[in-house]
Amino acid sequence: DAGITQSPRHKVTETGTPVTLRCHQTENHRYMYWYRQDPGHGLRLIHYSYGVKDTDKGEVSDGYSVSRSKTEDFLLTLESATSSQTSVYFCAIRGLGAGELFFGEGSRLTVL
Amino acid sequence: KNEVEQSPQNLTAQEGEFITINCSYSVGISALHWLQQHPGGGIVSLFMLSSGKKKHGRLIATINIQEKHSSLHITASHPRDSAVYICARLCTGTASKLTFGTGTRLQVTL
Repeated sequence: DAGITQSPRHKVTETGTPVTLRCHQTENHRYMYWYRQDPGHGLRLIHYSYGVKDTDKGEVSDGYSVSRSKTEDFLLTLESATSSQTSVYFCAIRGLGAGELFFGEGSRLTVL
Repeated sequence: KNEVEQSPQNLTAQEGEFITINCSYSVGISALHWLQQHPGGGIVSLFMLSSGKKKHGRLIATINIQEKHSSLHITASHPRDSAVYICARLCTGTASKLTFGTGTRLQVTL
């Protein structure tokens, strides 16, 4: 199994509070991604990283920020959570070899 | 309109049936992934292909680059194949981003 873990796996929080999700990899892969998954939608890209301190926005980046200060960690922050950010969040890592795409187990976030 | 369209959205089959799930995309790609997501959420990459066909056990994935179409076939389906199957288009670029279809929910019954 690829070494990719997400934390926390489940979180319930209140509107307006900050939330940080962590994605940790042991594969030394360059590319890391944060997606959200909602009913009726495919996985949608929030932010991605192509190296340490190299990040960019995806298609649903409003209300989210990210940081990658070292290869193994990619943090997703909701500065002030809203109910529309209730979702399941997946981290993914991608290597350069064929088929090297791995997902974390997901983090279920509920914003009340 | 999604850049990646899958059909059918839902599929019910009896054990042993041959299953086909289709994926069409609207722009050129460098590769296409097929993913499997079981109830409980974990997502696993089944195949990445850029041409031709790949086979792994009872699973076969094909792609036609000219027609912008890919299929995932499951032979001799089994209840443990019940899952959501997702195709994702990969375009090369700065970050090699993926665009996902909404998935096909497969239920295989005894």
